[in-house]
Amino acid sequence: GAVVSQHPSRVICKSGTSVKIECRSLDFQATTMFWYRQFPKKSLMLMATSNEGSKATYEQGVEKDKFLINHASLTLSTLTVTSAHPEDSSFYICSALDSRTYEQYFGPGTRLTVT
Amino acid sequence: AQSVSQHNHHVILSEAASLELGCNYSYGGTVNLFWYVQYPGQHLQLLLKYFSGDPLVKGIKGFEAEFIKSKFSFNLRKPSVQWSDTAEYFCAVIQGGTSYGKLTFGQGTILTVHP
Repeated sequence: GAVVSQHPSRVICKSGTSVKIECRSLDFQATTMFWYRQFPKKSLMLMATSNEGSKATYEQGVEKDKFLINHASLTLSTLTVTSAHPEDSSFYICSALDSRTYEQYFGPGTRLTVT
Repeated sequence: AQSVSQHNHHVILSEAASLELGCNYSYGGTVNLFWYVQYPGQHLQLLLKYFSGDPLVKGIKGFEAEFIKSKFSFNLRKPSVQWSDTAEYFCAVIQGGTSYGKLTFGQGTILTVHP
């Protein structure tokens, strides 16, 4: 099946710093990617929809200035958590929509810990 | 707002037992329905999906799900579970009848199968 990678898989950063997470579709083009956040023992919560070449669409309650999304190419979307705080610590998962089949494929997730 | 409910947080079974995981959604219009599985340490994978047609959908690894429109349900079943089915299972819905829109996930059900 199609593969989506995320980098890094784990990151620890200090409060106030920014962290960039990459999401890549390795063997297909994805005009649309999605960013989710998963809290412990809870479901995945959609944060935003990332569209190649245009601005991301954020879900209600998600701060677009805090969670910057860039989808510069058909295989790469990045999520930058700016001025991170301990409450931003979470598991961030991306998915990529195969433009040909409209199937969504998920990345392995990135564990962010803000100290 | 659209919501997806999974009735059980944690299900524990012995090998060869039958499995049924409940999923209900709240949206009254056209929906596309999915079950995803997340094995320990791995990313989310699609088990099966329903878009239209036969409401009984067969997926990978012997899983099936039945869409009952009148009950707003899409329960996942397997006649005989194996130890390797130990994982977390997520029901998800896309509203509006599109196959590539935003997924709304249920809370997840952890399945533990004892050998």
